[in-house]
Amino acid sequence: DIQMTQSPSSLSASVGDRVTITCRASQGISNYLAWYQQKPGKVPKLLIYAASTLQSGVPSRFSGSGSGTDFTLTISSLQPEDVATYYCQKYNSAPPGVTFGPGTKVDIK
Amino acid sequence: EVQLVESGGGLVQPGRSLRLSCAASGFTFDDYAMHWVRQAPGKGLEWVSGISWNSGSIGYADSVKGRFTISRDNAKNSLYLQMNSLRAEDTALYYCAKDSTWRVQGLFDYWGQGTLVTVSS
Repeated sequence: DIQMTQSPSSLSASVGDRVTITCRASQGISNYLAWYQQKPGKVPKLLIYAASTLQSGVPSRFSGSGSGTDFTLTISSLQPEDVATYYCQKYNSAPPGVTFGPGTKVDIK
Repeated sequence: EVQLVESGGGLVQPGRSLRLSCAASGFTFDDYAMHWVRQAPGKGLEWVSGISWNSGSIGYADSVKGRFTISRDNAKNSLYLQMNSLRAEDTALYYCAKDSTWRVQGLFDYWGQGTLVTVSS
């Protein structure tokens, strides 16, 4: 099965900082990569799919890139409301195609 | 507005059974695949099971295969998860999630609030 890893596992940054989270697949997954945001005590929310397509209603400071095995989620200017855990996810046909990364917790410094 | 409302969670002893339900509204239910995703306390997300629009394609995570059964009733706009032989490690918040397409693709564009299942003696 394809495994998903994320780095870092947590980070602390200042408001306005550019934040980058990396996700790596153990095998190539083309662009079948999604990013979800889960704020504390809340339900996960789809941010990005197909590696770089912003879900409707998601602020433009969020962006995604990558293909194959290496992907990134970038927050261009961190805001207080972005405090959350971010998960990458491989999709496209389940099973065994649905796998989440372990998550990256983002805090404000 | 898409709404997914889970029910049926609770405290159950190891080895017993529980049936979760998810009531869907705000979209054409039988146009989309549906899934269950769980999250153990303080842990990450784990896909559990998915079912295509017409129940023709079904998948399970290895961790629940043979113990859990997913089903849907399109006439009632409802999704179900029958959980048998429950273990302590099944303790989690169980989310109902809508797929973005009719097939079991696993891209979740809407999530319910979740129902908590606690397996303990």
